[in-house]
Amino acid sequence: QKEVEQNSGPLSVPEGAIASLNCTYSDRVSQSFFWYRQYSGKSPELIMSIYSNGDKEDGRFTAQLNKASQYVSLLIRDSQPSDSATYLCAVNRNDYKLSFGAGTTVTVRA
Amino acid sequence: DVKVTQSSRYLVKRTGEKVFLECVQDMDHENMFWYRQDPGLGLRLIYFSYDVKMKEKGDIPEGYSVSREKKERFSLILESASTNQTSMYLCASKTGGYEQYFGPGTRLTVT
Repeated sequence: QKEVEQNSGPLSVPEGAIASLNCTYSDRVSQSFFWYRQYSGKSPELIMSIYSNGDKEDGRFTAQLNKASQYVSLLIRDSQPSDSATYLCAVNRNDYKLSFGAGTTVTVRA
Repeated sequence: DVKVTQSSRYLVKRTGEKVFLECVQDMDHENMFWYRQDPGLGLRLIYFSYDVKMKEKGDIPEGYSVSREKKERFSLILESASTNQTSMYLCASKTGGYEQYFGPGTRLTVT
């Protein structure tokens, strides 16, 4: 079992819709969870971090965490063409390391 | 803003060459990391450093070494480049929290 698994995608959504990205992790002791956005040919950019169960909102992005289910998700509301990218889920392994999922590619259709 | 820079965006080397990839961060971060990213395999940790002159192997250290002589600089060395080391190389740094900040990446092609 991979440490971090994401829905494989690609995910295609119309402009203005909600894009929903899912991530599950295997290490029950993980405490810190991150979403990175990576445009084609660019490096990952941190867009959200979440540490407690529940929802965390930042602009059009909402991260949701359920530690009991070992599940973290990212919702992108009012999707824009500029949201077209690959989204990486990352989970802490210990004080230094993160485990990354393989990523979900999102395409927003105009 | 955190600034992580890498010495080259694109690099082409021949098989057997010794290759140096440089990474510099300007935020006084203690921890620095080198990853490679390949399609379908995601980000894989090669080495990381938690302090000057301190290093630890990541998940795929074979064929690589690192050097950290100064806090702001972390170098990745390919002792004898091979074609299977053709990849995107990403440097990252962090301080006390878990968030890692990435440099722009170096796309290395070994022919």
